[in-house]
Formats: sequence, C-alpha cells, structure tokens
Amino acid sequence: DQQVKQNSPSLSVQEGRISILNCDYTNSMFDYFLWYKKYPAEGPTFLISISSIKDKNEDGRFTVFLNKSAKHLSLHIVPSQPGDSAVYFCAASGLYNQGGKLIFGQGTELSVKP
Amino acid sequence: DARVTQTPRHKVTEMGQEVTMRCQPILGHNTVFWYRQTMMQGLELLAYFRNRAPLDDSGMPKDRFSAEMPDATLATLKIQPSEPRDSAVYFCASGMRAVDSYEQYFGPGTRLTVT
Repeated sequence: DQQVKQNSPSLSVQEGRISILNCDYTNSMFDYFLWYKKYPAEGPTFLISISSIKDKNEDGRFTVFLNKSAKHLSLHIVPSQPGDSAVYFCAASGLYNQGGKLIFGQGTELSVKP
Repeated sequence: DARVTQTPRHKVTEMGQEVTMRCQPILGHNTVFWYRQTMMQGLELLAYFRNRAPLDDSGMPKDRFSAEMPDATLATLKIQPSEPRDSAVYFCASGMRAVDSYEQYFGPGTRLTVT
C-alpha cells in the first residue's frame, strides 16, 4: 500500500521551460509535505516544503502547490536549468506521527536539456 | 557547514559476514533515521530514534538487522548475517523534531554490496 505516489518515473524538459513534477497521496492524515532532490552518489537534499494550511509555497525558482481535496501536490521549477537534472522525491508526514516519520514517493528523474 | 556523515561510503562483503554502518548526525539534532534505497522499493524507512531512544524499527528485518545509538553523536546499523538481497544504498538522516518541523537532512549514504 503505497501512500505517496509519483506516477511519472521520468520527465524531460528543455532548458528555460517549466518543469512540473507531480505527487499524489492517499492518507488524509498527512499535513506536511516536502520535496527532496537527489543527485547520483549523494544523499537526498531538502528542497522545499508546504504545510496543509497553505496551498502554495514559493522559494526562488521553486514553487510547490497543494490541492488537499484532490490529495495532490506538484513542484514547479521555472525556469528549468541543466543543473536541476536529478531525481526528485516527494514526501509526506503528519502531526499524528510524533516521530516526524516521512513517507517517500518512488521519485521522478528530471532531465533538463540545454 | 553542518552535515550528516556516514562511514564507510562503500562496502563489499560476502554473504554471511557482519556489516556495520555508522552515522554521525548533525550536532543538536534530536531525531535520527535509517533508510534503504533499492531500485524496487525506492526509499524505505528502516528505523528511527528520537533523543537516542528507538521510536520505530518496524521497517527492519529483526532477525538480522539491529540499530543503536550509543551516544548522541553516533548511530549504527548492523546486519548479521548479511545476504545478497541486502545490497542497497543505506542512508542516515537527522532532524530537529519540533511542532512544525519535519525536515530531515541526509548523509551521502553507504553503498553495500553483498556477494
């Protein structure tokens, strides 16, 4: 039972265009969502997060949108750069989980072509 | 520049041998997580600690895996005996669990190959 799903294993985008990465979740108890970026041979690095009390959070070129009714979140990267090429994981957690446990999706590999 | 460190970075061992992986969390972080990444399962949580006490190790095969935090600066993950299906990248992460903080910071991982 996968509670966090990233249905697109890969995405290819031209440099300068928008990249949109999608994530769906099933557990309505989740109230905090995060995106991580992972380069080969490195650990995932925290990118951006959003609380369920918001529907949008922006940090530079990165914006995360949350649609609670659809149990869907997305990460927008504008403009995309070749250095953004990496695997992106979405993750979710909830206040019910006092330990701060994160549930990760399977990841989407983004390729930004010059 | 505070980082999570992990040793060794790579480990090749034969089936049946004991493997110990070590992690130094970021100073001041009160929560430590162990994850395993495989092609099939993605990032799966094995165990985690808060203030050095184990909170959840339900993701670990209990018969062969054990996780401990001897002190606040060291977390260990042991596999005994190791099996080829344990081959994966093992990540340690740490965080400062607060009411509205869920961010975790990952180490570079230990790539384990069991032959």
